Amino acid sequence: GAVVSQHPSRVICKSGTSVKIECRSLDFQATTMFWYRQFPKQSLMLMATSNEGSKATYEQGVEKDKFLINHASLTLSTLTVTSAHPEDSSFYICSARDLSNGYTEAFFGQGTRLTVV
Amino acid sequence: LAKTTQPISMDSYEGQEVNITCSHNNIATNDYITWYQQFPSQGPRFIIQGYKTKVTNEVASLFIPADRKSSTLSLPRVSLSDTAVYYCLVGPPPGSSNTGKLIFGQGTTLQVKP
Repeated sequence: GAVVSQHPSRVICKSGTSVKIECRSLDFQATTMFWYRQFPKQSLMLMATSNEGSKATYEQGVEKDKFLINHASLTLSTLTVTSAHPEDSSFYICSARDLSNGYTEAFFGQGTRLTVV
Repeated sequence: LAKTTQPISMDSYEGQEVNITCSHNNIATNDYITWYQQFPSQGPRFIIQGYKTKVTNEVASLFIPADRKSSTLSLPRVSLSDTAVYYCLVGPPPGSSNTGKLIFGQGTTLQVKP
């Protein structure tokens, strides 16, 4: 099946620094990717929809200037957490659907565990 | 997007059949029902998808009554490795060229005991 890969799988950064997370669709093209955040013992919360070649669409309450999304190609979307603070520590997950396969199930990356110290 | 309601948690024993029911009273006419499985520190994984009646694949069955206001995920003979969170989602059908974003509910934490 289609594979979505995230990198890094785990990152620790100092408060005030920025962290970039990559999401790649390995064997299909994804004009749209999605970014989620998940806190411990909670469900996935959709943060934004990443659109190839255009601006991302953010969900209500998500700061677009803090969570920068770039979708420069059909196989790569990046999420940059700017000026990270401890409260940004979370599990970040991306997903995409395979257009050529009729938009069936969504494929998810393995997630990125961000810890801000 | 239709809201879903599931039990927060369920316990089972190895070898038993587990049925997890999801309520989606406001499901739209064209909506499909999809179930995902998530292990700790991993992204969700697709299990099964259906529109009505019954769907079966190599890992699970999905039962959907005629009114489609609920659905039941059935896992036959669970093992310890089936311990995970199971999410029921309702949304546009496969092949639709919409954004395809998925909104997750609280999910059901299934604990399989030896």
